[in-house]
Amino acid sequence: AQSVSQHNHHVILSEAASLELGCNYSYGGTVNLFWYVQYPGQHLQLLLKYFSGDPLVKGIKGFEAEFIKSKFSFNLRKPSVQWSDTAEYFCAVTGAQGAYGQNFVFGPGTRLSVLP
Amino acid sequence: EPEVTQTPSHQVTQMGQEVILRCVPISNHLYFYWYRQILGQKVEFLVSFYNNEISEKSEIFDDQFSVERPDGSNFTLKIRSTKLEDSAMYFCASTAQTDTQYFGPGTRLTVL
Repeated sequence: AQSVSQHNHHVILSEAASLELGCNYSYGGTVNLFWYVQYPGQHLQLLLKYFSGDPLVKGIKGFEAEFIKSKFSFNLRKPSVQWSDTAEYFCAVTGAQGAYGQNFVFGPGTRLSVLP
Repeated sequence: EPEVTQTPSHQVTQMGQEVILRCVPISNHLYFYWYRQILGQKVEFLVSFYNNEISEKSEIFDDQFSVERPDGSNFTLKIRSTKLEDSAMYFCASTAQTDTQYFGPGTRLTVL
């Protein structure tokens, strides 16, 4: 069965600190990987995605993530966080067999609190 | 930029009542989904829908749940007899041909 784990439940950082949120998945095939962000009171927004090619992908707002196939990981990074990055971050995976309509499996989420 | 919309933003209902949550997916999208997020927990898949039929559903999606695309724009989730544990945020999502799902703002369902 597909599953996604995220290493930290709650991360607290000061502004300008570097961020890395861990994500590991379990899936018996080729995958598409995503990070979504949910700001307080708002809906899920796509930060970045990996389908194929360069395993280092860049997303919006200075975020990037690296797909390491051998480790089944897709960690999210940002070199310098801002107070406005305070949100819940969800890693998600879906199969990449080329068929559309495959449901997402989400990780439990990591709450990021950035202190001003 | 086109968005997925959902109504209402908050629905309060009594246990045992029927509720219908409405979604308007992005217009050229073909696949539609419902997810839910119980407070403090992760987002869970409920059902996917394509070509006017359910393509996949989770074990959460039991006989109390149904989905419908009554016209060319709306996509609805019906819960026939709500239970306390149905209280959650319900998200609709849609996708075209990129496998990226675009999520609506959610409907917060509170069952009393």
